[in-house]
Amino acid sequence: GDSVTQMEGPVTLSEEAFLTINCTYTATGYPSLFWYVQYPGEGLQLLLKATKADDKGSNKGFEATYRKETTSFHLEKGSVQVSDSAVYFCAPSSGGSNYKLTFGKGTLLTVNP
Amino acid sequence: DAMVIQNPRYQVTQFGKPVTLSCSQTLNHNVMYWYQQKSSQAPKLLFHYYDKDFNNEADTPDNFQSRRPNTSFCFLDIRSPGLGDAAMYLCATSRGGFGTGENEQFFGPGTRLTVL
Repeated sequence: GDSVTQMEGPVTLSEEAFLTINCTYTATGYPSLFWYVQYPGEGLQLLLKATKADDKGSNKGFEATYRKETTSFHLEKGSVQVSDSAVYFCAPSSGGSNYKLTFGKGTLLTVNP
Repeated sequence: DAMVIQNPRYQVTQFGKPVTLSCSQTLNHNVMYWYQQKSSQAPKLLFHYYDKDFNNEADTPDNFQSRRPNTSFCFLDIRSPGLGDAAMYLCATSRGGFGTGENEQFFGPGTRLTVL
């Protein structure tokens, strides 16, 4: 079945540090790939997405590239801010029916001033 | 702004007392989903509607039911809540097509359910 392996947290960084959160997946067919972010007490928000190989999704300084050969979609940001503190979920579309998602376990990021 | 709305944001119920959570959307999306999310865990899909077609996940307990009376509204009914059902319940929508860009899910803010 479809699955996601996401870097386990928690991750604690100082402001302006470089962030990488690794994500690899197995999925049926040719999935779309998503990163969602969840701030405390809130629902999930789409952070970025990529729908085909070599696509780079980007938003708010975050980037991730769809690597079909390594089935990976690692999240990166060059300089994190305190306001980036949240839980990050990697989620490929799954099961061949592209409108369902398989969520990773989530990575808690804490950024200290 | 088009959005997914969940009411209430916080719900307290008693052990065994039926409770209904509601979700509405102004996006006119075909698919509506209900997820359960427990503390420090990923969201777990309970079921979804593709238009009027109900799709239950294999491991969703019978205690959980859902209704979608029209495109805009979807309800989650918990018939006899147990202490283990205390969680955040998230509603989401998507267009539901099979082309690229059709499967992004839009989430509501969630309802935090407490069972006493």
